[in-house]
Formats: sequence, C-alpha cells, structure tokens
Amino acid sequence: GIQVEQSPPDLILQEGANSTLRCNFSDSVNNLQWFHQNPWGQLINLFYIPSGTKQNGRLSATTVATERYSLLYISSSQTTDSGVYFCAAVSTGGFKTIFGAGTRLFVKA
Amino acid sequence: DTAVSQTPKYLVTQMGNDKSIKCEQNLGHDTMYWYKQDSKKFLKIMFSYNNKELIINETVPNRFSPKSPDKAHLNLHINSLELGDSAVYFCASSPSGTSGSSTGELFFGEGSRLTVL
Repeated sequence: GIQVEQSPPDLILQEGANSTLRCNFSDSVNNLQWFHQNPWGQLINLFYIPSGTKQNGRLSATTVATERYSLLYISSSQTTDSGVYFCAAVSTGGFKTIFGAGTRLFVKA
Repeated sequence: DTAVSQTPKYLVTQMGNDKSIKCEQNLGHDTMYWYKQDSKKFLKIMFSYNNKELIINETVPNRFSPKSPDKAHLNLHINSLELGDSAVYFCASSPSGTSGSSTGELFFGEGSRLTVL
C-alpha cells in the first residue's frame, strides 16, 4: 500500500517565524489532505489538495503530484498553531486514507 | 450543529468488559470509518463502510465488530477489552470520491478516549 512520510518529526518555533512541513508519498494519489490536531485532540481539516496550490489565511499548501510530495507553509506562526500536523493520502484507485506519522509543532511565545 | 458526532467522549472500564462507541454524521456522506490513534499519535484505519456495506476491514482482532444500521450511523463494539485497546477512537466520514478514487474529503468526529484498567 501507499506509504506516507512526513518531515520534520518535531519542530519548535518562536512566535512570528515561518515554517515548511513536508509530506512524501510513495504512489500516485487521488486524495491528499492536511490536518491539524490541536492540543485538545480535535482533528481539523486544513486543506484537501490532491494537486496544485491553495491558501487559507496564514496557511498555504502545495502538492506536486507528479513528484509525489506536498508542502504545508505556516507563516507568522502563533502559539495557537501548536499541535500535530498530519498529511493523509489515498492512492489512485484506492479506498483507504493513510496517514503519515505527523509533525509535532510547538510555537513559543 | 456537529457534522460528525461520537459518544461517549470518554470511557473508562475494566479489562474483560464489553463496550460500544456510537457515531453519527449529518453531512449526507456515503462512507464512514473507524480510526484508532495510539499513544504515539499514529492514526490507523480499522474499518470502513460504504452505504452500509463493509469495504475495509484491516487486521483488527475479531473482538472489534463494527455495525452500520444506515449510512448516517456507524457503531463500534468491543468485546473482552484488553489493556492494549486503550486509545482514542475516531469516527470519520467522506463523500464518494471523484473518478479514480472511492473517497472524497475526510471529516472527523472529536474522538472517544477509551481507557482500559
């Protein structure tokens, strides 16, 4: 099945800094999502982005499907951005959404 | 109005007991899932139903039995609970995907934290 790898595994930022999180996947995909799991455990949808670029406020994401990776950009980070960021993918023709191990982000005030 | 709701949110029980978690979605989606998140935060799919039909059944002990009475509901029953079953169980739903994929965007409930003593 498809493998999803995220990097870095852990990230500590000073408030106001920018960061890039990476997701590599081993197969062609029809579905690629980014989620934020906040400190209360809720899984929040950030982007549904099988290909192309999307922006939502301080966050943006780019998926280059032909090269099998996706990037999540966080600009001007805030303490409320802390949590775990997950990338999840469904391989072309597949049924299962497979998650990466996540990037644990801590933003210091 | 919560889109995907699970009950209970917290469950503390003794080893050997049987427990159930219920899930309901009001998004009109065709497909529902159970995921398990372990203590290291890793999310692993357990089951998926599409229009009440089981389509994904991962290598899960047969003490776990999902049931979908209709496409808006998916329940998880666990028999003879063990310490290793302690985890957060997430329900999710998605619409049918576009051509080439059977899944669209996934939406999660708030999770049910199960602690087995």
